[in-house]
This record gives sequence, C-alpha cells and structure tokens, in this order.
Amino acid sequence: GAVVSQHPSWVICKSGTSVKIECRSLDFQATTMFWYRQFPKQSLMLMATSNEGSKATYEQGVEKDKFLINHASLTLSTLTVTSAHPEDSSFYICSARGEWFEQFFGPGTRLTVL
Amino acid sequence: GQNIDQPTEMTATEGAIVQINCTYQTSGFNGLFWYQQHAGEAPTFLSYNVLDGLEEKGRFSSFLSRSKGYSYLLLKELQMKDSASYLCAALDSNYQLIWGAGTKLIIKP
Repeated sequence: GAVVSQHPSWVICKSGTSVKIECRSLDFQATTMFWYRQFPKQSLMLMATSNEGSKATYEQGVEKDKFLINHASLTLSTLTVTSAHPEDSSFYICSARGEWFEQFFGPGTRLTVL
Repeated sequence: GQNIDQPTEMTATEGAIVQINCTYQTSGFNGLFWYQQHAGEAPTFLSYNVLDGLEEKGRFSSFLSRSKGYSYLLLKELQMKDSASYLCAALDSNYQLIWGAGTKLIIKP
C-alpha cells in the first residue's frame, strides 16, 4: 500500500513555457501533500505544503506565483512551474502524508528547461 | 532553531555492519524517520521510532534515545545495493518533518 505516482517522470521544455506536474496517491487519501526540489548532489529542499481544499503553504524563498500548487482532491496535487527558466531545472519530488505522519514519496519528475 | 545532524559520507565493506548516527534538536518531538534514497531516485521509507529503544526490521535496525536527541540506523550484512543516501528526519510539535542533509553510504567490495 501507500503508493504515490508522479507524472510526467521527465520533461524537457523551452524557456518561458509552463510545466504542470501531477502527484497522485493511488491507494490512500492524502489530506496533505508536499513538494520538494532536489538539485544534483544536494539534499531535499521542501518547497511547499499542499493541503486539500486550501491554499498551499510555501517555504521561505519559494515564489508562490511561480510555483502554483493546487490540491483539488484527496488524491491529487499539482505543481505548475510558470515561465520556466534554465535555473528551474531540477528533480521535483512530491510526497503524501500517511496516517502516522510519515511521508510516501512519488518517483520524482526530472525537469530540464532549455 | 531546529537542526538535524548526520555525517555527510561513510564508507563500509560488503558483508560488514555500519551505523549511521543522527542527532536532532526540534521544537517538540513526535518521532524519528529514516529514509533511503538511491541516486536519481526519490526517497523510500525505512523506519519510524517514537519510543526509546531498538526497532529491528530484517538487516536494518533503528534506535532512538529521546533524552539524548539521538538516533542511529544500523545496517547489517551490507550488500552493494545498500549504497545510497540515508536521510534522517524528525517530526516536530507541528507534525512537520525536519530533514537532515543525508549520509551518503559507499559500499566497497
């Protein structure tokens, strides 16, 4: 149990375009989901906490207008990187909170902005 | 402030035992998690400790001392596939996970 999927697994886009990443909890309902970013050989960086039916809570330094988060249902959260630039190229990982506050991670999305 | 400390990198030999330590300072404490992350992949859940003591799960064991703010992950009978980063994370009073930077474990034949 506790499977989280992410789509797409990788995406290449041109600078200035927007990219949407989906995160789904497949076999459980997740009131809370998290979005992380990880640059090569660096640690996980929490970007935002996504709560179903309410606005996301962003970490300091993360632009909420650039990284749009929508958690419209108990099984789906989306992250949209708007007007992407090469410096946004990274590994984006979502996780869903379980009943014991553990986090189950999706497989990640590798974004490359040209 | 809240802080998680763990070694940056460790090296061990295939078949041996290795202990990865983690110390934490958080505002409130509701448990300690260990995750494994292979290069280029997302983390996977290994263990959760909320009470003092040792939790054993196959080749992996995790220990917690709440009074010392200390945990360790013990890996026995090391295999090459255990080469990965091991992340320690503490659950604070707001039930937020505070992440360590991870320990990169290198297994040599």
